[in-house]
Amino acid sequence: RKEVEQDPGPFNVPEGATVAFNCTYSNSASQSFFWYRQDCRKEPKLLMSVYSSGNEDGRFTAQLNRASQYISLLIRDSKLSDSATYLCVVSPFNGGGADGLTFGKGTHLIIQP
Amino acid sequence: NAGVTQTPKFRVLKTGQSMTLLCAQDMNHEYMYWYRQDPGMGLRLIHYSVGEGTTAKGEVPDGYNVSRLKKQNFLLGLESAAPSQTSVYFCASSTLQGWTYEQYFGPGTRLTVT
Repeated sequence: RKEVEQDPGPFNVPEGATVAFNCTYSNSASQSFFWYRQDCRKEPKLLMSVYSSGNEDGRFTAQLNRASQYISLLIRDSKLSDSATYLCVVSPFNGGGADGLTFGKGTHLIIQP
Repeated sequence: NAGVTQTPKFRVLKTGQSMTLLCAQDMNHEYMYWYRQDPGMGLRLIHYSVGEGTTAKGEVPDGYNVSRLKKQNFLLGLESAAPSQTSVYFCASSTLQGWTYEQYFGPGTRLTVT
């Protein structure tokens, strides 16, 4: 079972550029969506939740398309420090639920100076 | 707060040996999880716990056992290690904050089974 699909990349992007990547999920009953960030050889950390109407946090914008079952992450004015792997995460429960999340394999982003 | 800590950080085992990985959290979270992360596979849930004294199976539970005797600790045991269990193991904890169960991860344990 692979419920969450992501392009593994790597995406090589010059500093200052805008980059976007998508994630598709197979479970139409999914209720909660998140983007986590994972630096090389480090633990994942929550970047942002994804709300139905879309949401923005500084340079980061997340969108949800329930009809097509995908979520997206857009990073504007990319910084060298944005280089990381971005994990798409879904859950069938509101808020993510208590019994774990389903993670995509991640998209590797490299910001080049 | 230390957050989520894991012991040990690295370990090499021989096939058939046993070991226990310890996860501790000081955030008073109800829920705790064990994941494994393999190249090209992403994070997969092994076992989880929704409270002290309770555990449940995740996606890949075979070959592992867990215990949650204290709210702050979640132990992952390998009774007879196999090379297929070579992986990075992450522990996480969460609680409901607003409407979201944000998961906080430990730094990971890198396990090699030869």
